[in-house]
Amino acid sequence: GQQLNQSPQSMFIQEGEDVSMNCTSSSIFNTWLWYKQDPGEGPVLLIALYKAGELTSNGRLTAQFGITRKDSFLNISASIPSDVGIYFCAGDTSGTYKYIFGTGTRLKVLA
Amino acid sequence: DAGVTQSPTHLIKTRGQQVTLRCSPKSGHDTVSWYQQALGQGPQFIFQYYEEEERQRGNFPDRFSGHQFPNYSSELNVNALLLGDSALYLCASSLEVAVVFGPGTRLTVL
Repeated sequence: GQQLNQSPQSMFIQEGEDVSMNCTSSSIFNTWLWYKQDPGEGPVLLIALYKAGELTSNGRLTAQFGITRKDSFLNISASIPSDVGIYFCAGDTSGTYKYIFGTGTRLKVLA
Repeated sequence: DAGVTQSPTHLIKTRGQQVTLRCSPKSGHDTVSWYQQALGQGPQFIFQYYEEEERQRGNFPDRFSGHQFPNYSSELNVNALLLGDSALYLCASSLEVAVVFGPGTRLTVL
């Protein structure tokens, strides 16, 4: 099935460092969502983006809807051990909540 | 608010069998979608129900079918199970744009 390109695939960082990840597509999206998934759990919504250029924060997390509408970025500032998990982007092209997911970025934080 | 709930949590079936998974959406949500997540992959859209009708469908065979009830809860049925159907099945509900996921049902096909 179709999936969005997400990078990096995985990353190890030191506690306190900032993290950046992105998601790209060849298609234009109307909505971008960012989720975090812990092992054995369902994805938990972190941030929702609704229009091109939008920059939205949720605590230490900041996400942006790319101007071209074909990409999105997620930044985590001052990472902590509980940030460990898999981060997924998801995009909707039709406005009907049929989301295409990225391949995931696996984050590991070293204390 | 209980959020999205799914049952059962885990399920083991053998090839050729049939399975039914259940989902109760978040209170106030009227749209239910089902996703399949294979190990190490992102979720893949199966189909979506709104007003008891299948509104959209992903690239999944007819062995995958569903239903939505008047109280917005939903079932996912898979017939003639294959080994490749082993995955985490996620139910998601929505009222507006953002979609909320349940914890999933882990299906193992032996």
